[in-house]
Amino acid sequence: AQSVTQLGSHVSVSEGALVLLRCNYSSSVPPYLFWYVQYPNQGLQLLLKYTSAATLVKGINGFEAEFKKSETSFHLTKPSAHMSDAAEYFCAVSDSGGSNYKLTFGKGTLLTVNP
Amino acid sequence: DGGITQSPKYLFRKEGQNVTLSCEQNLNHDAMYWYRQDPGQGLRLIYYSQIVNDFQKGDIAEGYSVSREKKESFPLTVTSAQKNPTAFYLCASRTSGSGNTQYFGPGTRLTVL
Repeated sequence: AQSVTQLGSHVSVSEGALVLLRCNYSSSVPPYLFWYVQYPNQGLQLLLKYTSAATLVKGINGFEAEFKKSETSFHLTKPSAHMSDAAEYFCAVSDSGGSNYKLTFGKGTLLTVNP
Repeated sequence: DGGITQSPKYLFRKEGQNVTLSCEQNLNHDAMYWYRQDPGQGLRLIYYSQIVNDFQKGDIAEGYSVSREKKESFPLTVTSAQKNPTAFYLCASRTSGSGNTQYFGPGTRLTVL
């Protein structure tokens, strides 16, 4: 069974500061990993994904994440936070070797950006 | 303009009534999914379908039903058997290549009074 743990349900940063959102996963097979962002009362938007190619993945809006197999981690970073980054972020894992590619989500991290 | 549409955006129902949430996609994706989102709980899978006329239960299927008569449509019915139906419901569809990525609709917020 797969699982995802997002450390910190709420992260607060100042505008211009580094954003670091943590995600650890558990999977018995090589995983596909995803980060999604959700703005209030909206659906999820894909930020980036890891699918066994480069371990450092660049996404939209200046975000990137690094797959570290030894640490079973896929942390999301952005060098300089912007007010528009305030949202909830979800990490998800999918079984790359299965046939249904179900996603298992973490419980989310709410990012607040202070002026 | 390709995408996933869900209607309505907000839905209010009285306790004991069945209600159907619409999900339509024009992305030509074979697979579609329904998730439930509650505050602080992340997303939980209700049902999924990988092909027309076939669907499987997810982790929290009790009190819900679906159909998949057309590739483009995957409606979800919340029945009176669902004990806590008030939630935000999200529909997704999945590409068949490039990491099998799921793309999400805008969601329907259901409130049962």
